[in-house]
Amino acid sequence: AQSVTQLDSHVSVSEGTPVLLRCNYSSSYSPSLFWYVQHPNKGLQLLLKYTSAATLVKGINGFEAEFKKSETSFHLTKPSAHMSDAAEYFCVVSRPPRLIFGTGTRLQVFP
Amino acid sequence: ETGVTQTPRHLVMGMTNKKSLKCEQHLGHNAMYWYKQSAKKPLELMFVYSLEERVENNSVPSRFSPECPNSSHLFLHLHTLQPEDSALYLCASSQERGSTEAFFGQGTRLTVV
Repeated sequence: AQSVTQLDSHVSVSEGTPVLLRCNYSSSYSPSLFWYVQHPNKGLQLLLKYTSAATLVKGINGFEAEFKKSETSFHLTKPSAHMSDAAEYFCVVSRPPRLIFGTGTRLQVFP
Repeated sequence: ETGVTQTPRHLVMGMTNKKSLKCEQHLGHNAMYWYKQSAKKPLELMFVYSLEERVENNSVPSRFSPECPNSSHLFLHLHTLQPEDSALYLCASSQERGSTEAFFGQGTRLTVV
């Protein structure tokens, strides 16, 4: 069965410092993995997706994620946080016909 | 804008009311979804439609009734709801069922009083 675990419910960083949001997955076959972002009172927006091509995936707004099969991880990173990055981030695995969502990580960015 | 539009954005209804949520997409997608997002809980898949046919009903109470009249429109009919049904209801669409990314609407914030 497919599932994802987001290891941190809250992450706080200072503006200009690196961001790391952690996600581990469980899948019985090669998974499709996604990161979505949700800003307050907004719907979810796709940041990036992994579908068994390159293991390092680049997304929008400077985010990227690396698929590591040996560690069953798909962590989201950004070299330098911006105030506008403050939001909730969801790691997602595809299990057709559904998308399985993690519980989310709330990112706070301090000036 | 993701191309998926939900109306209304906010809805307050009594437990005896009947209301409907509407979702519209013109992305040419053939799958549409209803999700429920409650505080402190993972996003819950409620219904999946593929080519206007309901292909999944995720043990949702019968007080929620979906309708998909065509591939561009999806409704969620609500009646005799409970306060615990208060949540953000998100509509999404995708090109194929679950195999590609989903595009989400901004959601309807539902409050049941």
